[in-house]
Amino acid sequence: GESVGLHLPTLSVQEGDNSIINCAYSNSASDYFIWYKQESGKGPQFIIDIRSNMDKRQGQRVTVLLNKTVKHLSLQIAATQPGDSAVYFCAETGGNNRLAFGKGIQVVVIP
Amino acid sequence: DAGVTQSPTHLIKTRGQQVTLRCSPKSGHDTVSWYQQALGQGPQFIFQYYEEEERQRGNFPDRFSGHQFPNYSSELNVNALLLGDSALYLCASSRDRGQQDTQYFGPGTRLTVL
Repeated sequence: GESVGLHLPTLSVQEGDNSIINCAYSNSASDYFIWYKQESGKGPQFIIDIRSNMDKRQGQRVTVLLNKTVKHLSLQIAATQPGDSAVYFCAETGGNNRLAFGKGIQVVVIP
Repeated sequence: DAGVTQSPTHLIKTRGQQVTLRCSPKSGHDTVSWYQQALGQGPQFIFQYYEEEERQRGNFPDRFSGHQFPNYSSELNVNALLLGDSALYLCASSRDRGQQDTQYFGPGTRLTVL
């Protein structure tokens, strides 16, 4: 079945450093991947997405990398800021447009 | 351009009661999906509505039902509430364009069952 998981529950990052959040997925049929950011008391906020025909996509301060060979997804945040503190989820879907989420990872930015 | 909105923000019910949660999708979106998020967990897919019909369903009992209206807004109904139904209920909207489209989430409704 569909399964998406994250390797670390908490990531502490010094302000100004780069952050890397990793995610593994098990459904080889997955073809669309999304990173969401969720702040306390709010709904998930879209950060960036990538389709299976790509291996890298860049946004503002964020980059998503996709390695389909090992079913691995990562989110890189450049120059991490205090406002980046949140729980980050990777999610995937494989043709049925229903998202499967992992448990999430808490990113804590240290001033 | 309004994003996804949900009401109410918070709700407290007792076991056995019934609840209705509401969602208005982002402008231009025609598909609504509902998710349940337990504390400390990722959202779990409940079901998805498109053209006023349930198009897909996750592993949730029949106590969970929904509806989509002609203006694309949607309701989630939960009957015979259990303590375990306490969670954040999220609505996400997207456009059906024949391929995966980004789902945008609302702020959620926090349901507490006592």
